[in-house]
Amino acid sequence: AQSVSQHNHHVILSEAASLELGCNYSYGGTVNLFWYVQYPGQHLQLLLKYFSGDPLVKGIKGFEAEFIKSKFSFNLRKPSVQWSDTAEYFCAIDNNNDMRFGAGTRLTVKP
Amino acid sequence: EAGVAQSPRYKIIEKRQSVAFWCNPISGHATLYWYQQILGQGPKLLIQFQNNGVVDDSQLPKDRFSAERLKGVDSTLKIQPAKLEDSAVYLCASSFGPVDYEQYFGPGTRLTVT
Repeated sequence: AQSVSQHNHHVILSEAASLELGCNYSYGGTVNLFWYVQYPGQHLQLLLKYFSGDPLVKGIKGFEAEFIKSKFSFNLRKPSVQWSDTAEYFCAIDNNNDMRFGAGTRLTVKP
Repeated sequence: EAGVAQSPRYKIIEKRQSVAFWCNPISGHATLYWYQQILGQGPKLLIQFQNNGVVDDSQLPKDRFSAERLKGVDSTLKIQPAKLEDSAVYLCASSFGPVDYEQYFGPGTRLTVT
């Protein structure tokens, strides 16, 4: 069965630092890839998604992710984080309606 | 556009009791999902409906969990009887279609089983 690994459980950064959150998945076939974010007290919401085409995907709020098929990775990046980026970030993959989430990475941005 | 609605937001029950959660998806969304999110873990898909038919319930513990979506709109998820390990947030999500469409999540119901 497919699975998703997020390597960092908790990341603490200062404002303006660069961010990269790791996501690896195990599945040999074609998958759709997602990053979701959950801000404190709010719903899960979609940050960005990759279905096909350009492997560098731009999302909301300055986030981007790169799909590297050979590495089964879909890492999330942001060049300069803000205090308001403090949230939990979930990577997810979908293969033919079978949606699997990673355990999440909690990001704390210090002002 | 109204989002996915869920109720109740919080529920505390004793083990062996029954509980039901309700979800109203975004209008026009044919696909509805129920997830279980245990503290410290990512959401786990329990069941997926396409209109009022079940697409996937492979991870639903069918001995105690049941779900229905009778008219293809609202859905209920029931646990009977509850166990301590059922303590979690139960998330409902909906999407326009089953494949290649974004899922929109509700606020969830936090269940505590004592």
